[in-house]
Amino acid sequence: GENVEQHPSTLSVQEGDSAVIKCTYSDSASNYFPWYKQELGKGPQLIIDIRSNVGEKKDQRIAVTLNKTAKHFSLHITETQPEDSAVYFCAASSGTYKYIFGTGTRLKVLA
Amino acid sequence: DVKVTQSSRYLVKRTGEKVFLECVQDMDHENMFWYRQDPGLGLRLIYFSYDVKMKEKGDIPEGYSVSREKKERFSLILESASTNQTSMYLCASSPQVPANTGELFFGEGSRLTVL
Repeated sequence: GENVEQHPSTLSVQEGDSAVIKCTYSDSASNYFPWYKQELGKGPQLIIDIRSNVGEKKDQRIAVTLNKTAKHFSLHITETQPEDSAVYFCAASSGTYKYIFGTGTRLKVLA
Repeated sequence: DVKVTQSSRYLVKRTGEKVFLECVQDMDHENMFWYRQDPGLGLRLIYFSYDVKMKEKGDIPEGYSVSREKKERFSLILESASTNQTSMYLCASSPQVPANTGELFFGEGSRLTVL
C-alpha cells in the first residue's frame, strides 16, 4: 500500500548547525508534500510545503527539496535554534483528502 | 487565527466504556479529520468528513465511529473502549481538499488512556 518512510527518527544537532530530514514516498501520483512541526503538548502545524511542479522552496531558514524521479523529498533547516526542537512530520498527498504521514523525526537542538 | 478545539485534553476510561471525543472548529471549514498518533507510527487517519452528515473511512476505522451533525463539530466515538485504543487523538480541519491549499489545522490533541 501507500507509505512514506521518514529518516532519521531522532536527530541531535548543535545550535547553529544544519539539520536535514528525509522522506521517501511510494505513490507516484502524489503531488503535494507538506511538512508539519509538532511542539510539545501541541498539535502539528504546517511549516512549509511543496507541489510536484516545483523542485525546491525556501522560507527563511527552512527549505524543502523534491526529487520526483527518486520519490524523495527533504526538509533542510539552517542555523538551527533551540526553538526548532520539536517533532517533524513529512506527508504526501495525491490530491484527495488523504495524506500519508511519515513516522516523525524528533529534532533536538543542543545549546 | 483558525482555532480547532478539542474539549478533552486528557481522559482515562475503563475497558468497555463508551467514549466521546469532541472537536469544534471556528473557521467554517468543509473538511474535518480524526487522526490517531502513536510513537513510531506517525499520524494515521481514522475518519474524514467533507460535509455535514458525510463521512469516509480512513486507514484505521475499526472500533471507531464519527458524527458530524453541524459543520463546525466533528465527534469521534469509541463504542466500547479497549486498551489498544490508548493513544493520542488529533482532530484537524481544512478549507478544501489538498489539491488547492492543502493545509490541515490541528487541535492540541486528546490523550486517551483505557485501563
